[in-house]
Amino acid sequence: DSGVTQTPKHLITATGQRVTLRCSPRSGDLSVYWYQQSLDQGLQFLIQYYNGEERAKGNILERFSAQQFPDLHSELNLSSLELGDSALYFCASSNPSRARNYGYTFGSGTRLTVV
Amino acid sequence: DQQVKQNSPSLSVQEGRISILNCDYTNSMFDYFLWYKKYPAEGPTFLISISSIKDKNEDGRFTVFLNKSAKHLSLHIVPSQPGDSAVYFCAASLGSYQLTFGKGTKLSVIP
Repeated sequence: DSGVTQTPKHLITATGQRVTLRCSPRSGDLSVYWYQQSLDQGLQFLIQYYNGEERAKGNILERFSAQQFPDLHSELNLSSLELGDSALYFCASSNPSRARNYGYTFGSGTRLTVV
Repeated sequence: DQQVKQNSPSLSVQEGRISILNCDYTNSMFDYFLWYKKYPAEGPTFLISISSIKDKNEDGRFTVFLNKSAKHLSLHIVPSQPGDSAVYFCAASLGSYQLTFGKGTKLSVIP
């Protein structure tokens, strides 16, 4: 158990629908990152939050949005889903004292299948 | 534009031999490099890192080498064990702790 909790583990939904992925960071970590792993695409950075505020944006589609709540958990909202959104979505967390040497701590991911 | 490249999608090595995984990067401003290991159905886990001011870092069977002039780093695993079979991701950091990942190399260690 990495300490980063992602729910649900699996999600199957239809095109056009909207889903919410949830992440609880490791205790003490203020930063949350969302990554997408599609087939043969490696880990694509989507967005970062730090202590409730958006810190950095990557290749995140306009149909996707995220937020980090006061208790530091984060949600990734995916709307108007398309078949191509099927992927593994990872959440990771870090804190400044560890990030340089140890990078992020990842959750086990949510596998989204759009049918 | 891929800033971190792992050009070998897969690698097979005999148990007990050395595994060498390679990674190239394009941005000379990257200041930290990390390797992650990923098993199926699990998230990536941190393996080893190296600062851009160093050229080598060792942790047990794992050694990372950095060649800044060539913008190249490599991960050496000696000796390789069947439990090392996983996907290995190279990642680079640029100040803000945002990591840029390569596409990964699948290592298979054959008993």
